Amino acid sequence: IAGITQAPTSQILAAGRRMTLRCTQDMRHNAMYWYRQDLGLGLRLIHYSNTAGTTGKGEVPDGYSVSRANTDDFPLTLASAVPSQTSVYFCASSTDSNQPQHFGDGTRLSIL
Amino acid sequence: GQNIDQPTEMTATEGAIVQINCTYQTSGFNGLFWYQQHAGEAPTFLSYNVLDGLEEKGRFSSFLSRSKGYSYLLLKELQMKDSASYLCAVRDSNYQLIWGAGTKLIIKP
Repeated sequence: IAGITQAPTSQILAAGRRMTLRCTQDMRHNAMYWYRQDLGLGLRLIHYSNTAGTTGKGEVPDGYSVSRANTDDFPLTLASAVPSQTSVYFCASSTDSNQPQHFGDGTRLSIL
Repeated sequence: GQNIDQPTEMTATEGAIVQINCTYQTSGFNGLFWYQQHAGEAPTFLSYNVLDGLEEKGRFSSFLSRSKGYSYLLLKELQMKDSASYLCAVRDSNYQLIWGAGTKLIIKP
């Protein structure tokens, strides 16, 4: 079944550790996005990529990095996790930046 | 700054009609999206408006007034499965989505 796969589903992580959240799509979408969703707040864009080989910063990029080596994969890395990064992280993709975004099932991350 | 406002929570009765409002102030406008999100799940796309007026899709309709910075999502013949959060998002001048915090809709029998 075509779609977006995120891994892991959930994770508990000690502060200061490095963590990579994985995102893979098989829809050949050009654009991909990483959001965090916190209670009472709207989805906030962390980083995005309009096409393979390019990335851009969103609203809340600090403490996060991404890469887009190919069309399918868009990993998000927390270099040194802090408790304020406890959140639900959603990866999304779209044909291009004009089209609706399709979301993965999310990663629930707790930083202790 | 950019701002999307939606009511935090609404309650409606099964079989009835409910209207969820969204007002926005953004740097530029390139379309407005509505998404549905069930608890613990991913958002799923419902509708898209870029021109003023009403877009109808089955039991769901979405309206846009760009001059007023206003949209609403209308849900008819409510079913229990419609209990979810409804997210309003505006695509700004950079073609990035600015999201509201969502409206939690509770359907009562």
